[in-house]
Amino acid sequence: DAEITQSPRHKITETGRQVTLACHQTWNHNNMFWYRQDLGHGLRLIHYSYGVHDTNKGEVSDGYSVSRSNTEDLPLTLESAASSQTSVYFCASSDSGVNNEQFFGPGTRLTVL
Amino acid sequence: TQLLEQSPQFLSIQEGENLTVYCNSSSVFSSLQWYRQEPGEGPVLLVTVVTGGEVKKLKRLTFQFGDARKDSSLHITAAQPGDTGLYLCAGATGPGSARQLTFGSGTQLTVLP
Repeated sequence: DAEITQSPRHKITETGRQVTLACHQTWNHNNMFWYRQDLGHGLRLIHYSYGVHDTNKGEVSDGYSVSRSNTEDLPLTLESAASSQTSVYFCASSDSGVNNEQFFGPGTRLTVL
Repeated sequence: TQLLEQSPQFLSIQEGENLTVYCNSSSVFSSLQWYRQEPGEGPVLLVTVVTGGEVKKLKRLTFQFGDARKDSSLHITAAQPGDTGLYLCAGATGPGSARQLTFGSGTQLTVLP
């Protein structure tokens, strides 16, 4: 069965370190998204991609970067982790059709000390 | 930034009661989706509404899209403990297949047996 996976599921790091969160989908979807979820804020879009080599900034992109070298993967990098980036991160993918469902991964809980 | 406000933020009810969750915005959306999220998991799509005034039913859940496509509601009849979870509305914006979702802050529903 097709799926979307994230790794690691939990990560503790220190302020200033570079961190990369992995997202891998086997749906063969063109669209991939990264969100962060914090209490009282729902899900906020960080970066998104509509295909290989395409990346776009979302609402809260400062301090984050992504790259899309193939269809299956969209890793999210925190260049220099900050305590404000402590959050739960969700990756999602969707097909290119209109109104298509976004399929979410299980999330990565990141703590920056 | 387009905002979606959900109310109430928290709702605790007894099994068998009815409830309504609201999702409001000053912006017009191409479509609106409702997701349900359980602890430790990513959101899962419940329904997509596209046309102003549209009503969709999913067993005991009734979803309505406002006539002006700025608001939506989710009504649950005879709630059960299995309905417990975080309910998120998400409005779609952007052209065609390049649509992004703006999420509301969520309604945490607890149904007590």
